Order: sequence, then C-alpha cells, then structure tokens
Amino acid sequence: NAGVTQTPKFRVLKTGQSMTLLCAQDMNHEYMYWYRQDPGMGLRLIHYSVGEGTTAKGEVPDGYNVSRLKKQNFLLGLESAAPSQTSVYFCASSYRGPNQPQHFGDGTRLSIL
Amino acid sequence: GEDVEQSLFLSVREGDSSVINCTYTDSSSTYLYWYKQEPGAGLQLLTYIFSNMDMKQDQRLTVLLNKKDKHLSLRIADTQTGDSAIYFCAETNPLDNNNDMRFGAGTRLTVKP
Repeated sequence: NAGVTQTPKFRVLKTGQSMTLLCAQDMNHEYMYWYRQDPGMGLRLIHYSVGEGTTAKGEVPDGYNVSRLKKQNFLLGLESAAPSQTSVYFCASSYRGPNQPQHFGDGTRLSIL
Repeated sequence: GEDVEQSLFLSVREGDSSVINCTYTDSSSTYLYWYKQEPGAGLQLLTYIFSNMDMKQDQRLTVLLNKKDKHLSLRIADTQTGDSAIYFCAETNPLDNNNDMRFGAGTRLTVKP
C-alpha cells in the first residue's frame, strides 16, 4: 500500500514564483489536510478538505490555495512564493474526521530564496 | 487558541525507560495521540487514547492520561537506539468547528548507546 504520497520531495523556488504540491492517497479517505512544519512550532494546519469538491481554511491559510477535484488528490498551490513560506509541508488523510488517526506523507521540503 | 505543550529535548541511555510529557489546555479534548517522526519522514501514528481512559498499554509503550491535570505522557520501556526520533503529542475536540488536530512542538528523543 502506498498510503499518502507527496510530490515533489524537495523544491527550491525564487520569490514570486508559483508551484503546486501534489498529494495522493489510496485509502479512500474522506478527509485530507495540508500542514506546514517549522522548527520549534509543531505542525500548523493550512487548509483541509472534508470530501471531494470541498475545501476549508485552517490556522494559517494566507498565501496558499487548495483544490480537491478528485477524492484521492489534494493539491496545495503557492501563487507567489515568499521566503516566509520556506518550510516542510505535510499532507495527511483520515477516514472521516480529525478525531480519527491521520496518515501522513513523507513531506515536501520547500525553500524560497 | 488552545495549546499543546511539550519539552523539546529528552536524552536517555539505551535500555532505560523514556517518559515524554505533554500538557494541553482544551478541557473538551476527546482524543489524544502520540506520533513519531524519524528524520526525513512524515509522522507515524504510535498510539492514541480516548479521554474516558486513563491508561493504555501497547507492547513497550504505555500512555497515561490525567484528565484533571490535562497531562498526557508516553513511556517507552527498554528504549532502543531506533527509538531516537521526534515525538509529537496531538489532541482533537469533536466540537471544534475547525476540524483541527492540534500538535505540540515535538520532543526530540536521543538514545545513547
């Protein structure tokens, strides 16, 4: 089982560039999440989705957009990258709500110069 | 917002027991989790406990919950070098409209041979 797969694993961008992080899960989970992990701060929720075609804002949504066109995929977009968005990004999924265990991808390390 | 706090570092000798502590502020927390993160990887669910329990044991892992003091601990018996990782405490509240899982900043466990 692949579980939760994130691509790419690493990326370096220049300020102002745009990119999309891809997340795919093969567990038929309804809920999907995007987090960012910064040193000493744990994980912070950027956006989440409770099902295909739905998205919602988390704790730190500014500067990011998301889409859930298919149940198995959750895309995170940066329209105009800023150095403050340098972080490790994790995608996760759970069968129903956040009260159920979340399964994580291996992360995308993003550096904005 | 509600907080989850952990000490940042813990160092033990191989074979000793490790105890990682966590405190949280949301008295309505229903589910409490422990995740393990190894270098370059995502978070792996270790164990979780419902708020109506005060203890859960799973092989070398023992979780203790003091709901009155809002204190959660993870004890690892006979700690091995492979247990070296960052351990995250997390909690959820089904009444939270943000569908958020709140994470602590993580405790880096170092196991010395």
